[in-house]
Amino acid sequence: DTAVSQTPKYLVTQMGNDKSIKCEQNLGHDTMYWYKQDSKKFLKIMFSYNNKELIINETVPNRFSPKSPDKAHLNLHINSLELGDSAVYFCASSHDWSGAQETQYFGPGTRLLVL
Amino acid sequence: AQSVAQPEDQVNVAEGNPLTVKCTYSVSGNPYLFWYVQYPNRGLQFLLKYITGDNLVKGSYGFEAEFNKSQTSFHLKKPSALVSDSALYFCAVRLYNKLIFGAGTRLAVHP
Repeated sequence: DTAVSQTPKYLVTQMGNDKSIKCEQNLGHDTMYWYKQDSKKFLKIMFSYNNKELIINETVPNRFSPKSPDKAHLNLHINSLELGDSAVYFCASSHDWSGAQETQYFGPGTRLLVL
Repeated sequence: AQSVAQPEDQVNVAEGNPLTVKCTYSVSGNPYLFWYVQYPNRGLQFLLKYITGDNLVKGSYGFEAEFNKSQTSFHLKKPSALVSDSALYFCAVRLYNKLIFGAGTRLAVHP
């Protein structure tokens, strides 16, 4: 039933490790996003994909690599994790990317803690 | 640059009283404005949006927002607050296909 789902919900790992977060939407949307929420609750977009193609990359370090195997999935792989990567990562989706009125629907978030 | 400001870190209101959470925006062109709510340890839930048309927009859970072009504001309102409305509220403006969020306002409704 969940429209936008993310796994895992919590992720605790050591500095230097590589980890992945998965996102799936069952809304039939064409566009998916990754947002980062820092410790002060500030939300900022990282990436956006439309129909498996990257359309936004917001000057995110290249240790972060999104991958979209199909338009219902957008995974986030992070190499060489750093302390500053600790945050909540939200996946979102919308019907398409071009309409300004499109609503983005968010997943429950993945809480990443890097020790 | 497109931006959104939420001037209050926290708003406190007694249950049953009206509530207002403030948002001002700075955009070039027509603004597309959104409100989202984040309950503790949960994702963001869409409340309402303004695209065009009536300045008063009605949304989920009894919330509404008033778009005021001259004051560049999009304040969130509810006539009678519930304790269960306590959460973190985000105003956002759409730029191309991404959302630019405000810093968030924590709403605390006291019994």
